[in-house]
Amino acid sequence: EVHLVESGGGLVQPGGSLRLSCAASGFSFSSYSMHWVRQAPGKGLEYVSGIGSAGHITYYANSVEDRFTISRDNSKNMLYLQMGSLRAEDTAVYHCARKDTVMLTLDSWGQGTLVTVSS
Amino acid sequence: EIVLTQSPGTLSLSPGERATLSCRASQSVGSNYLAWYQQKPGQAPRLAIYGASSRATGIPDRFSGSGSGTDFTLTINRLEPEDFAVYYCHQYGSSPRTFGQGTKVEVK
Repeated sequence: EVHLVESGGGLVQPGGSLRLSCAASGFSFSSYSMHWVRQAPGKGLEYVSGIGSAGHITYYANSVEDRFTISRDNSKNMLYLQMGSLRAEDTAVYHCARKDTVMLTLDSWGQGTLVTVSS
Repeated sequence: EIVLTQSPGTLSLSPGERATLSCRASQSVGSNYLAWYQQKPGQAPRLAIYGASSRATGIPDRFSGSGSGTDFTLTINRLEPEDFAVYYCHQYGSSPRTFGQGTKVEVK
């Protein structure tokens, strides 16, 4: 069974940094593209970033490009999101998700970790 | 980026009725790479439909997706109590991927 568990969320001041982690299990992690999607409190889903299976190709939403960096460690089955220059509007639950190789969309999601940007 | 606009914002229906949800894209969605997700309070999104019309594993056949290009529809026949939730469309044909703002299907 696919299992994705996010961690690293918390309270951070505007302008600060935070690194999120996603521990993956139950599948061959190195074979799958992985992504981050966030959801502000009471709001809808917003795509944040994605990374190819080998880690060489990355994707970013316009709203986070140049501030966030996605990475992965296939030897540890871990996905990361380094977030910098954080703003109040980055406050959200951050979910990691797996892109299925057949359906080509996000088929498995973690429960998410809450990031709150506030002074 | 492709902007997805969902309508209506809220759909108030009774169990047993049919729900029809719309998703309109600002430009054509490549290869009809359009998915629908169901989300219940406090839960992660669950994939319901991919490729505009294919049901994901475990999704009952009362759920169906249709459409192409810029106009897509999710239909839920004979609503069951567990179907009341928020539904998001999502395009994955162009980078960056984008989501619609969601349609809430609530009990009337």
